[in-house]
Amino acid sequence: EPEVTQTPSHQVTQMGQEVILRCVPISNHLYFYWYRQILGQKVEFLVSFYNNEISEKSEIFDDQFSVERPDGSNFTLKIRSTKLEDSAMYFCASRLGLADTDTQYFGPGTRLTVL
Amino acid sequence: GNSVTQMEGPVTLSEEAFLTINCTYTATGYPSLFWYVQYPGEGLQLLLKATKADDKGSNKGFEATYRKETTSFHLEKGSVQVSDSAVYFCALSDPTYNTDKLIFGTGTRLQVFP
Repeated sequence: EPEVTQTPSHQVTQMGQEVILRCVPISNHLYFYWYRQILGQKVEFLVSFYNNEISEKSEIFDDQFSVERPDGSNFTLKIRSTKLEDSAMYFCASRLGLADTDTQYFGPGTRLTVL
Repeated sequence: GNSVTQMEGPVTLSEEAFLTINCTYTATGYPSLFWYVQYPGEGLQLLLKATKADDKGSNKGFEATYRKETTSFHLEKGSVQVSDSAVYFCALSDPTYNTDKLIFGTGTRLQVFP
C-alpha cells in the first residue's frame, strides 16, 4: 500500500539554525499538508499546498516557515531560524482530491528538537 | 472558531473490555468528523469517518455516530484487544475551507493489558 514517508525521523538543531524537513507524498496525490504537535498539545494545522502554491496557512506559519515541492516528488518544510518553541513533532499529509471519499494520509512524523 | 475536545488519557483497559473515548466538537458549519489512530512509531491513520448528522462510521470493530444534537462523535468498541493500544485522535474538517484542513483534539492514549 502506498504511504507517505518523512525524513529524518528525529532532527536535533541549535536555536537560530535552519532546518528542512522532508516528505515524500503518495505519488498521484495533489494536495499536501504540514501539521505539528507540540508535546502534550493538539495536532495543529500549519499549511496546505496545491498546484505549486500555498492554498491556506495558519497563524503559526509565519515568515520563518516556507514550503516547497522542488522536484515533483518531495514536499519540504523549511524553518529559517529555529526557536525553542518550534520543538514539536511535524507531520506531513497528502490527499488525492477533495471528494468525500478522499482522505488525508499521514506520514510517521519528524521529531524536531531545538536546543 | 472550530474546535475538538476529547477526553484525556491514558485510558487503561483489560482485554475484551468495552471502550468509549468521548469527543465533542464546536463548528460553525456542517463539518465532517474523523477518528485517526497512531500506533507506536507510525503516522496517523484514518480509522473511521462520518460526513453528516446521524451517519455511523465503523472500521475494525470501532464505531462512532455523528450526533448533531449533542455535537459529539464518541468512539466505541465492544471488546478491545492488546493490539488496539495506540493514541486516538478525534478531528473535524470544515467544508468552508476548500482545502479541507483537519482540526484535531489532543489525542487519547489507550493501553490495553492482557
